[in-house]
Amino acid sequence: QSALTQPASVSGSPGQSITISCTGTTNDVGSYDLVSWYQQQPGKAPRLLIYEVSERPAGVSHRFSGSKSANTASLTISGLQSDDEAHYYCTSYTTGKNFVLFGGGTRLTVL
Amino acid sequence: VQLVESGGDLVKPGGSLRLSCTASGFLFETYSMNWVRQAPGKGLEWVSFITGSGGSVDIADPVKGRFTVSRDNAKNSLFLQMNTLTVDDTAIYYCARFDVETVALDIWGQGTMVTVSS
Repeated sequence: QSALTQPASVSGSPGQSITISCTGTTNDVGSYDLVSWYQQQPGKAPRLLIYEVSERPAGVSHRFSGSKSANTASLTISGLQSDDEAHYYCTSYTTGKNFVLFGGGTRLTVL
Repeated sequence: VQLVESGGDLVKPGGSLRLSCTASGFLFETYSMNWVRQAPGKGLEWVSFITGSGGSVDIADPVKGRFTVSRDNAKNSLFLQMNTLTVDDTAIYYCARFDVETVALDIWGQGTMVTVSS
C-alpha cells in the first residue's frame, strides 16, 4: 500500500501562514472526508490535530485548519509560532481497509 | 484518558518481545486500537488493528506472520507479541485509540522503544 504524498519540508517565519499538502488517490483522500492530521513535536508522541478533513478536537488551536480538493488534502497553520516546529503527518481511510494510510510526514521549520 | 505502553527492550535478531498498552479514563472495550511504530529518524508506520471485542484484527504486511495483536478488556490492556525480530523492527512502538466514526487515532501513548541488535 503506497503512502500518501507529503512534501518533505516546509518553512515559514513567525506570524506567517503555511500550507502542507497531502496527496492520495480516488481510493482514499479523493473518495472520503476521513482525512486526519497529526503533529509530532521533537521527542514526543504524535497528537491529533484535525479529523474529518477540517474538524478540530477540543484544545487544538484555531490556527490549525484543514481542507480538501479532489485527491489532495491540506493543513494550514496561520500565525506561525516557534512551538509549531514539528513533523506533521496526514492519514486517510482507504477503501476496504481497516488500517489508516499514513503520509510520509512533513518537517515544519519556523525560521 | 491515557495510554501507557511498556515492554520495550534490547533484543537480539530472531528474538521475541511482548509489548503492553494499559488504558485508563475511558471504556476500553468499546474502542478499536492500533499499534503504530516509528523507526529512528523515520515516519509513522501502521502496524496492527484490533476491534473492541478482539474479534477482528489486521496486521501490516511487513510484520504479518511474525506479530500478533490481542487484548484483555478485563484488564484494559492491549498487547503486541513480536516474534522473529529483525533489525528493521527497531522502532518506538505507540499504541493509539481508534475512533471508527472519524477514522482518527485520537489518543496516543508515549511509546516504548524496541531495539533489535546483536
